Amino acid sequence: DAGVTQTPRHEVAEKGQTIILKCEPVSGHNDLFWYRQTKIQGLELLSYFRSKSLMEDGGAFKDRFKAEMLNSSFSTLKIQPTEPKDSAVYLCASSGDWGPNYAEQFFGPGTRLTVL
Amino acid sequence: GDSVTQTEGLVTLTEGLPVMLNCTYQTAYSTFLFWYVQHLNEAPKLLLKSSTDNKRTEHQGFHATLHKSSSSFHLQKSSAQLSDSALYYCAFMPNYNVLYFGSGTKLTVEP
Repeated sequence: DAGVTQTPRHEVAEKGQTIILKCEPVSGHNDLFWYRQTKIQGLELLSYFRSKSLMEDGGAFKDRFKAEMLNSSFSTLKIQPTEPKDSAVYLCASSGDWGPNYAEQFFGPGTRLTVL
Repeated sequence: GDSVTQTEGLVTLTEGLPVMLNCTYQTAYSTFLFWYVQHLNEAPKLLLKSSTDNKRTEHQGFHATLHKSSSSFHLQKSSAQLSDSALYYCAFMPNYNVLYFGSGTKLTVEP
């Protein structure tokens, strides 16, 4: 089974640019999460989708961060406009809502974003 | 409000010594507790999970017991190995499938 895939693995952007990160969850998973990971803040939840419906949008990240899930197998995270403080690793995770792996989140390899 | 606390940010141990990483949580809900491990340049992976009070959960030499009376889920291992060097996150799930992560503990095991 394919795990969670994320593209690109690395992204370098100039301040003010728009960037789009992509994620494909594990097939059959209904829940999809976007996180930001930094050394100082650790893992911060940006967005949570259940069956393509946005359940949480991460409060403080609303203004420049927008996650979408147009179908059950693909999600995007748009950052517009980017700022240097957005430099971080962005992780996508998915989970199923039944079976032995219930509630276990499977993480993708992440996208390392550097904003200059 | 709901929260999870990992008191140690950095832990450095000598190979062969026991490991104990602390995790406490605060929530009004019945919940799952998790430990995730993240090795350098890799994605976080589930190490342990539990929702049963006072039951020991084990995996890959690590173990933890959920104690609801003290709201704790400490991670332990009897003998640290060099390969255990990683970032460890405690997390809990008070509702839906949303995980609340602690701030993480970086474990370094030295020869």
